This record gives sequence, structure tokens and C-alpha cells, in this order.
Amino acid sequence: DGGITQSPKYLFRKEGQNVTLSCEQNLNHDAMYWYRQDPGQGLRLIYYSQIVNDFQKGDIAEGYSVSREKKESFPLTVTSAQKNPTAFYLCASSTGTSEASGELFFGEGSRLTVL
Amino acid sequence: GQNIDQPTEMTATEGAIVQINCTYQTSGFNGLFWYQQHAGEAPTFLSYNVLDGLEEKGRFSSFLSRSKGYSYLLLKELQMKDSASYLCAVLDSNYQLIWGAGTKLIIKP
Repeated sequence: DGGITQSPKYLFRKEGQNVTLSCEQNLNHDAMYWYRQDPGQGLRLIYYSQIVNDFQKGDIAEGYSVSREKKESFPLTVTSAQKNPTAFYLCASSTGTSEASGELFFGEGSRLTVL
Repeated sequence: GQNIDQPTEMTATEGAIVQINCTYQTSGFNGLFWYQQHAGEAPTFLSYNVLDGLEEKGRFSSFLSRSKGYSYLLLKELQMKDSASYLCAVLDSNYQLIWGAGTKLIIKP
């Protein structure tokens, strides 16, 4: 079955530590996205990538980094510079090269808690 | 600024009909999406409207009025599995998605 797999589902981190969230897709989609979801707020775009070896900052990129070395993979690193990292992180992909290309396919999310 | 408004929470009875509203004020409009998200799970696509009117898809329908900056999602013959959050998102003039905070729908027997 095609889809998007995020891991880990739950993650705890101490302040000052970097942590990397995995996102893998086997849908052969070009574009991939990382969103952050906080209670009472809409999804906010962190980073997106339209093609391998290229990515763009979203609205809240500060304190985060990404890489896109393979079409299937788009890992997100939450660095110690991110002031409020506790959140639910969602990875998504689309058939086209932007959010305008239609339906987004989401992973099941990673919940990060900073202790 | 850009804004999407949805009710925070709604309650409905199994078998009934519920309408979830979404109003938006965005810089331009290039379409509106509805997604369903069960607690702790991935959002899944429900509908896309870019022209005024009603789009029906089984028990779910979505309506759009661009002149009023308004959309609603209509769920008929409610089932317990419809308990979820419903997210409204608008594509603005830059073709970027602006998301509402979502409406948590609680279905009671």
C-alpha cells in the first residue's frame, strides 16, 4: 500500500538537544511538506521541497532544518534553536509541485515533547 | 492579515445532519479544501471547491460562496466514526494554504 510513514510517533527530548523526525513516502510524489499543528491553531508550514536536493522555507522555518537527498525521504531536524518545539508535526506530499496542486497526503504525525 | 474562522467544537446526534461553517478573509482566493482528522491521526482529504455552489460526495457535501467568503461542510446520516476534527483551508493569491484551527465534531448516540 502506498502512503507516508512518519517516525517516531512519540518523542521526548531534553532542552538543548536536536532531534530528527523521519518522513518516507512511496507514492512517487515530487513535493513534500512539513507542518506544525498546535492546539487552537491552524497548520503552519515549516519547510517544503518541490524536488530532490531543493527545499524552501515556509512560514515558521526558524529553528528547523531539512534535507531532500532522495525523492522518498524528507527528514526534519528540530534544533535547540527552536524556542517552543513541543508540538504535533505532520509530513505531507502531493502529486504536483506545490500546495496548489490539489490533495495533500499526510503521514500520521509525530508528537514531540520537550521536557 | 489572513484569517480562517471555524467553530471550535460542535456536538450532534447519530443519524442526524450537521453543518460546519468556515469563513475566510484572505489575500486572494484560489480554492478551498476540507480535510477530516481523527484524533492523533493523519488528516485526509474530503473536498475541494473553487467555484460557487454545492459539491456532493456521498454523505458529505461542501458549499462555497466566494462573494461571502464562506463555505460549509454538510454531513448527513451521521455515524459514530464521523467524530473527528474538520479542517478548512484556503489557497491564497500566492497559492499557499491558509489553515483554520479546525472544528472538533462530537457525535452522541
